Amino acid sequence: TQLLEQSPQFLSIQEGENLTVYCNSSSVFSSLQWYRQEPGEGPVLLVTVVTGGEVKKLKRLTFQFGDARKDSSLHITAAQPGDTGLYLCAGAPINFGNEKLTFGTGTRLTIIP
Amino acid sequence: NAGVTQTPKFRVLKTGQSMTLLCAQDMNHEYMYWYRQDPGMGLRLIHYSVGEGTTAKGEVPDGYNVSRLKKQNFLLGLESAAPSQTSVYFCASSYANYEQYFGPGTRLTVT
Repeated sequence: TQLLEQSPQFLSIQEGENLTVYCNSSSVFSSLQWYRQEPGEGPVLLVTVVTGGEVKKLKRLTFQFGDARKDSSLHITAAQPGDTGLYLCAGAPINFGNEKLTFGTGTRLTIIP
Repeated sequence: NAGVTQTPKFRVLKTGQSMTLLCAQDMNHEYMYWYRQDPGMGLRLIHYSVGEGTTAKGEVPDGYNVSRLKKQNFLLGLESAAPSQTSVYFCASSYANYEQYFGPGTRLTVT
């Protein structure tokens, strides 16, 4: 089983601050996805990165896939209360497609107004 | 367009009882999945299906069975519920192996 460790597990910061959350593994993935999940709902896909070193931006969110395709980071600039939620990374194994995603343990983010 | 729906939203079972969770999607997706989510463990794949009439085991299949008799429906069955199956269950669907769309979840408690 391929494991994805996310850090920190919990993060609480003031509105307007910047933050970075990390997703690490000893395994190589063909692609990596980031999801956000709000209470009582299912995860919603934010982005997919597929190339080592790739950087994708989604408004104030910046996602990076590690050069070796074993890790990823999510950076949020000027956090807003609407960013509050559980952030999950998920990796697609080399020998399979997204039908066998491995999900990380999650980072629960709280933005304080 | 309802996306992915799950029935029921909440359920309490006693140990040894059986039940079926229903997932329905109206996006004509080929692939469907069942996950469980437990605190500190993320989402773990139980079973999945790559098309009508097909099913395959995921990471944690023991104690669960599934059926995909119709393309739009994916059923998850618990034949003899155990307290270890207390969890939140999510169904998802996707077009081929692209982006997965998740349902709102079913919260199951086994006492």
